[in-house]
Amino acid sequence: GAVVSQHPSWVICKSGTSVKIECRSLDFQATTMFWYRQFPKQSLMLMATSNEGSKATYEQGVEKDKFLINHASLTLSTLTVTSAHPEDSSFYICSARRYETVSGEQYFGPGTRLTVT
Amino acid sequence: AQSVTQLGSHVSVSEGALVLLRCNYSSSVPPYLFWYVQYPNQGLQLLLKYTSAATLVKGINGFEAEFKKSETSFHLTKPSAHMSDAAEYFCAVSAGNQFYFGTGTSLTVIP
Repeated sequence: GAVVSQHPSWVICKSGTSVKIECRSLDFQATTMFWYRQFPKQSLMLMATSNEGSKATYEQGVEKDKFLINHASLTLSTLTVTSAHPEDSSFYICSARRYETVSGEQYFGPGTRLTVT
Repeated sequence: AQSVTQLGSHVSVSEGALVLLRCNYSSSVPPYLFWYVQYPNQGLQLLLKYTSAATLVKGINGFEAEFKKSETSFHLTKPSAHMSDAAEYFCAVSAGNQFYFGTGTSLTVIP
């Protein structure tokens, strides 16, 4: 159990366009989902935390108007990169936390490789 | 404040040798600690976790870690490295609503 999927697994888009990445918890309900960004050979950088039905909380330095996060249901969160630029190229990973968890354990998706040309 | 320090960004071991990846943490509350493995272009896979039960935690793929409160450590070990263990390893501490990740250790296994 506790499987998280992401779609697409990789995407190439042109500069100026928008890209939507989906994160789904397949076999559990996730009241909280997280979006991370990972640069090559680096650790995960938390971008934002989203709770179902409420606005996402963005980390300092993350542009909320550029990285739109929607957590419309207990199994789905989306990240939309608006007006993408080459510097937005990165590996984006989502994670989800079960409603009843005590340890705060997060279950991670397989990641989405975004390349902006 | 919570933080995680992974000593050694790169570790190389020979196949069959002991694997030791170091993790030290700081936490203002009793911590929940995790080790994850990441293969190229993939997400994070949980290896094991400490959630205040037994201090010696066994995980998947033959890995284990020991929680030592006095040393604020949670080092990851495996008695005998396999080629398939080559990957990036992340230690993390959970506190409140967030995870705090270490900077990662890249493990190379030499045949």
